[in-house]
Amino acid sequence: RKEVEQDPGPFNVPEGATVAFNCTYSNSASQSFFWYRQDCRKEPKLLMSVYSSGNEDGRFTAQLNRASQYISLLIRDSKLSDSATYLCVVDSGGYQKVTFGTGTKLQVIP
Amino acid sequence: DVKVTQSSRYLVKRTGEKVFLECVQDMDHENMFWYRQDPGLGLRLIYFSYDVKMKEKGDIPEGYSVSREKKERFSLILESASTNQTSMYLCASSPVFGVNPVNEQFFGPGTRLTVL
Repeated sequence: RKEVEQDPGPFNVPEGATVAFNCTYSNSASQSFFWYRQDCRKEPKLLMSVYSSGNEDGRFTAQLNRASQYISLLIRDSKLSDSATYLCVVDSGGYQKVTFGTGTKLQVIP
Repeated sequence: DVKVTQSSRYLVKRTGEKVFLECVQDMDHENMFWYRQDPGLGLRLIYFSYDVKMKEKGDIPEGYSVSREKKERFSLILESASTNQTSMYLCASSPVFGVNPVNEQFFGPGTRLTVL
């Protein structure tokens, strides 16, 4: 089983739609969880951290379910500029490194 | 702003050549990382370093070595380049985990390496 698994997509959604991505992880000792965004031909950049209580940043909401070992990202009112690949990232259980998922591609269409 | 720079955006080398990829960060970060990114496989960790002269193997270290002689610089070396090392190489840096509660990694723009 992969350490971090994501649905690769692509998710094609119309502007204004709500879209959700899930990610599962296998290391129950993991403590830190993140969503990164990667635009085409660019480097990944941190979108948001994921906290146990769930957290929101504008149109973006991240949730963590430790019991089922998955994290989610919800994007409301999708914009064309949200088109990108979203990478789920999980720490390696106490080591100074993280594992990246393969990414979920989102295409928001007009 | 944190800045991570990589020595080349595009590089073309021949099989068997020795290849050096350089990465420099200006934020005094302790941790530095080298990844390769391939379609369908995502980012895979090659090596990382948590201090000067310290290195740890990542998930795919075979065929690579690294050097960290100064805190700001982390070099990736392909001793004898092969065609299966054609890829996008991304360098990243981060502060020590636990010091920065976000543990964010900052990436360079990447080097697209083609081995012929």
